[in-house]
Amino acid sequence: KQEVTQIPAALSVPEGENLVLNCSFTDSAIYNLQWFRQDPGKGLTSLLLIQSSQREQTSGRLNASLDKSSGRSTLYIAASQPGDSATYLCAVVGAGSYQLTFGKGTKLSVIP
Amino acid sequence: ETGVTQSPTHLIKTRGQQVTLRCSSQSGHNTVSWYQQALGQGPQFIFQYYREEENGRGNFPPRFSGLQFPNYSSELNVNALELDDSALYLCASSWGLGDYGYTFGSGTRLTVV
Repeated sequence: KQEVTQIPAALSVPEGENLVLNCSFTDSAIYNLQWFRQDPGKGLTSLLLIQSSQREQTSGRLNASLDKSSGRSTLYIAASQPGDSATYLCAVVGAGSYQLTFGKGTKLSVIP
Repeated sequence: ETGVTQSPTHLIKTRGQQVTLRCSSQSGHNTVSWYQQALGQGPQFIFQYYREEENGRGNFPPRFSGLQFPNYSSELNVNALELDDSALYLCASSWGLGDYGYTFGSGTRLTVV
């Protein structure tokens, strides 16, 4: 059974700092990995999708990496802003399952 | 292109009642998945519909049921509501079986009292 873990559970940083969020998964047989952002009480906004054959994806100030063999992904946020404050969720699609398995998320607070 | 829309946004029901939640998939998407998110937890997979057929189910009892219509919109039905069913219910759509990622709606907040 696939399990996804996100560390840390919460993170508070001053505005302008670069930061890294971590995600690990137990079964390396995945189709892809997706990072989402969730604002309180809201739905999920997709940030980046990494296919199993890729090593990283970039969008603006965000960069996500994938090391499938070690079961790890990181989300790097450059020059953080107060508007980045949200919960960040990592999810994998397992090979043959087609469903997303999520971690519990990292709650990020960027202090002005 | 329109995104994933869910209705209603909020709902309060009494224990033992039945509820139907609705989801319109993003234009061009033919797969719909439903997830339950309890407070402080990651979303949990309920089931997925691909071309109107159930294509996978998570660890949820049979009182959770659903269907997908020819236009690829979907319904989630929950019978005999329990207090623990209180959660945010999220609908996600995709083209095919998630190869190109999933797009989520804003969710329905269900409160069972």
